[in-house]
Amino acid sequence: EIVLTQSPGTLSLSPGERATLSCRASQSVANTCLAWYQQKPGQAPRLLIYGASSRATGIPDRFSGSGSATDFTLTISRLEPEDFAVYYCQQSDSSPLTFGGGTKVEIK
Amino acid sequence: QVQLQQSGPGLVKPSQTLSLTCVISGDSVSSNSVAWNWIRHSPARGLEWLGRTYYRSKWYNEYALSVKGRITINPDTSKNQFSLQLNSVTPEDTAVYYCATEASSGWYVSYGMDVWGQGTTVTVSS
Repeated sequence: EIVLTQSPGTLSLSPGERATLSCRASQSVANTCLAWYQQKPGQAPRLLIYGASSRATGIPDRFSGSGSATDFTLTISRLEPEDFAVYYCQQSDSSPLTFGGGTKVEIK
Repeated sequence: QVQLQQSGPGLVKPSQTLSLTCVISGDSVSSNSVAWNWIRHSPARGLEWLGRTYYRSKWYNEYALSVKGRITINPDTSKNQFSLQLNSVTPEDTAVYYCATEASSGWYVSYGMDVWGQGTTVTVSS
């Protein structure tokens, strides 16, 4: 199965700063099959990015995705207070589908 | 607009079977462009995909390696819903369980899991 490794595990930043989150795959993942999610405590995950770089409906343009093959990045250009949460990457390129271990973005 | 409504018990005894149902509104479980997933979340393991069912001229089921052999996901076309059964549960199966849709185009274009159920907290304990 494809293993997704996210780094860092925790990112401590202040509102207004830029966040850069990494997702590395154990084998190549098609761009069309890489997604990013945000999860807050007590809530279901929310789809942010699909197809590696396409924003889901209603997602602000401060969220952007990039990358290809085995290296993908989620960037939050300027952190808003509501962006402090855990972020997961996920691949649907091959079964079994897998999620990364998550990156927690916390307030510094 | 697709909505998913989960139901099922919140407490299951060790060695017994966990059973959850996800009722679909706004789409058909037999859609040729959607897959119906089960995912769980625990503090120790984060998000864990468990499996999915989908129809592409015939029914397909795919499962995570971590639960293969213990899991069954079934579509029910008469009730427009799908279900999760997880056998021989242990305390390690304690988690919040979610159902979720994943739209796709063909076999190699995924639009992500964009609609989620409300989540069911399942505790495995005697």
